[in-house]
Parts: sequence; C-alpha cells; structure tokens
Amino acid sequence: NAGVTQTPKFQVLKTGQSMTLQCAQDMNHNSMYWYRQDPGMGLRLIYYSASEGTTDKGEVPNGYNVSRLNKREFSLRLESAAPSQTSVYFCATAVGSGGTPLHFGNGTRLTVT
Amino acid sequence: GIQVEQSPPDLILQEGANSTLRCNFSDSVNNLQWFHQNPWGQLINLFYIPSGTKQNGRLSATTVATERYSLLYISSSQTTDSGVYFCAYRGGSTLGRLYFGRGTQLTVWP
Repeated sequence: NAGVTQTPKFQVLKTGQSMTLQCAQDMNHNSMYWYRQDPGMGLRLIYYSASEGTTDKGEVPNGYNVSRLNKREFSLRLESAAPSQTSVYFCATAVGSGGTPLHFGNGTRLTVT
Repeated sequence: GIQVEQSPPDLILQEGANSTLRCNFSDSVNNLQWFHQNPWGQLINLFYIPSGTKQNGRLSATTVATERYSLLYISSSQTTDSGVYFCAYRGGSTLGRLYFGRGTQLTVWP
C-alpha cells in the first residue's frame, strides 16, 4: 500500500524550462492538494481538487497549472520555471474536502537555476 | 485574511521534559490538524482535532474552538520527537483550503 506517491524526488531546472510534477494515490481519496514549502514559511497551498474533474486556486497559484487526470492522479505543471519556484513541493490527499485528515507524499525538491 | 500563528517558533528540550505547543487561529474552525515533519522531511498527521481533546501515547491535543486556539502536549520527550510541528486550520469561509502555520522547531537533546 503505497499511499501518496510523488515523482520525481529531486529535479534541477534552468530558468524558463518546463516540467510536470506527478502525484498518484491509492487511498481512494476524493480530494488532492499541492503545497509548496519554503524555509520559515510553513506550507502554502498552490492548487487543490475537491473531487475528480474540479480544480481550484489556493494561496499561491501564479506560475502553476494543474490537471486532475482521474481520481488517482493530480499533476502540477510549471510552464516556465523561475528561481522563485525553487522549493519543496508536497502533494496531499484527503477523503473529502471538508473535515478530514490530510495525508502527504514525501515531497519533490525542485531547484531552478 | 486568515491567520494561523504558532508559538514558540523554536523549542529546545532535554530528553524526558514535557512541552506545550500553541496554535492560534483567526476564524471559526471546522478543521484543525497537527503534523510532525521529521528531519527527513516527511509530514505525518498527528491529530485531526476541530474541537475537544485527543490522546495518542505521549502526545495529546486540545482545541478550544470558542477561544480560537489549539494546544499540542508532548510528555516525556524523546530525541525522535525532534522536527517541526505544524498546525493547519480550515475556517468556515475557506472551503477546501487548509492553512498552515509556520511551525515550531523542536530539538530534543539526549
């Protein structure tokens, strides 16, 4: 039982390059989230998907796009990476969008030079 | 906007000591969670506690929704308790969005 799987674990990009961070879950959860974590800032919500077929912006959506491909998968795309997007990215899932616990993947460490 | 404040920002303890971490939030609460991020960066859900008190081994948590705060108690701390503790909160006006505090960095020395 893998839980929440993020790929890749590490990535280095040059400014202007694009990439997609993948997240897959086998917990049959409805809601999925993308957070970024920067030193001293806690975690900030980028986008979330309350259920399959829906997505919504969080606190810091600029520079990102998401796709909820199916119930299991939620991807985050950087179209033109910037150094300000250097961060650790976490995917999380929950049974529902309301009062249910979050479960996190192990993160993707992204560096943009 | 939504405010989630954690205190203290840093805490250093000797093994065996007890500690209390606090989380204040600015809106009515319907979802309050505590997480531990270990030194390897993994985030583990400790408690889902929008109100009341829960206990899990040496850890317990209390949320007083009417006064807009939550407390995490760690008793008889161990070196494996080291890491960052986050509270995350969702208020009535922020459907689907769970806001995180900046965390408390806990270091437990043997």
